[in-house]
Amino acid sequence: DTEVTQTPKHLVMGMTNKKSLKCEQHMGHRAMYWYKQKAKKPPELMFVYSYEKLSINESVPSRFSPECPNSSLLNLHLHALQPEDSALYLCASSQQPLGVSEAFFGQGTRLTVV
Amino acid sequence: GDSVTQMEGPVTLSEEAFLTINCTYTATGYPSLFWYVQYPGEGLQLLLKATKADDKGSNKGFEATYRKETTSFHLEKGSVQVSDSAVYFCALTGNTGKLIFGQGTTLQVKP
Repeated sequence: DTEVTQTPKHLVMGMTNKKSLKCEQHMGHRAMYWYKQKAKKPPELMFVYSYEKLSINESVPSRFSPECPNSSLLNLHLHALQPEDSALYLCASSQQPLGVSEAFFGQGTRLTVV
Repeated sequence: GDSVTQMEGPVTLSEEAFLTINCTYTATGYPSLFWYVQYPGEGLQLLLKATKADDKGSNKGFEATYRKETTSFHLEKGSVQVSDSAVYFCALTGNTGKLIFGQGTTLQVKP
């Protein structure tokens, strides 16, 4: 089983709303990632969690707040987003940090900020 | 820094045609190389991988060989189907612990 599950699949939120994206994997992977993908572009790395600790933050604005409650779950808390934050948000996981093992992606959450 | 360059698309082929999507990379050390595929409205799926020079990754009729001498990892398929229409991303992981993507190549297969 190489499944990474993301919820919700679609989300529309206003600029003053607070929402959360969820990601779950049951493969025993110890590294998890958030990516942002705009149309017709490759995914851009946002955050990396390794062994439940934040190891990489790619200078992401503070209106995006990641959380890793346990080794199977990864959340992305959203607050005061801008319309330009509308994108496909992808979660991924790997057995070990990248460079040792490959990443598996979820289906993504399509976010629209209005 | 590490980088991946893919041929620009879109690539338009007729069904049963031969496919090549070129990918070259720049990296220090010995990166692992990947091809991911993204179907419309979906996330990325790992298509194949190679972790050392001369390795050949293969899956679903697709193949790619890790060529260190030419720093390339070209994707090939002998006979494409309409269902192969998607965006294909070449990627690498190196010493940074990050997955570095190429810009993606859109493949359109017509019946």
